[in-house]
Amino acid sequence: KAGVTQTPRYLIKTRGQQVTLSCSPISGHRSVSWYQQTPGQGLQFLFEYFSETQRNKGNFPGRFSGRQFSNSRSEMNVSTLELGDSALYLCASSLSDRSEQYFGPGTRLTVT
Amino acid sequence: DQQVKQNSPSLSVQEGRISILNCDYTNSMFDYFLWYKKYPAEGPTFLISISSIKDKNEDGRFTVFLNKSAKHLSLHIVPSQPGDSAVYFCAASGRSSNTGKLIFGQGTTLQVKP
Repeated sequence: KAGVTQTPRYLIKTRGQQVTLSCSPISGHRSVSWYQQTPGQGLQFLFEYFSETQRNKGNFPGRFSGRQFSNSRSEMNVSTLELGDSALYLCASSLSDRSEQYFGPGTRLTVT
Repeated sequence: DQQVKQNSPSLSVQEGRISILNCDYTNSMFDYFLWYKKYPAEGPTFLISISSIKDKNEDGRFTVFLNKSAKHLSLHIVPSQPGDSAVYFCAASGRSSNTGKLIFGQGTTLQVKP
């Protein structure tokens, strides 16, 4: 069974631009969560989607948003990029809300 | 407020010996705990989990122990192998409104020397 895939793997953007990252979960998984990893803050939860509904949200500004499609694929969007948004963005999928999450390889975003 | 803490940033052990990684949590609502391993430039890889109704779970060389009264869990790797060298994260989640949200510790870098 294919794992979680994320595209693109690397991205360089300029301050003020917006970016969209994509995640395809493991087949059959309906829950998709997004995390941001930075050297200073570690792995921090952004939001979780289940059956196209945002079920949980972390403490990030409204510039960070996401959505989930009927096939469980998910996208996250960051608008008005700031230098501090440079990070590894990880997507994880799980079968249900009480099972382990499986992570994709991440998208490395660099904001200049 | 860091709800999940891994107080040891690094750990070095000899191949064949036991590796013990520790994790403490503060939120008594957490009832599901996981350990992940992460190599550079890759996403975390799930290792093992434990529910709060248990105090021990084993999977091959990996055993997780949970001490609810102390709000402490540990991961034992026996025997340790050089390929185990990576960053290890513990994570926790709680019921109801926190489903699907994992809170991670800061990670412990394990080095297994041949």
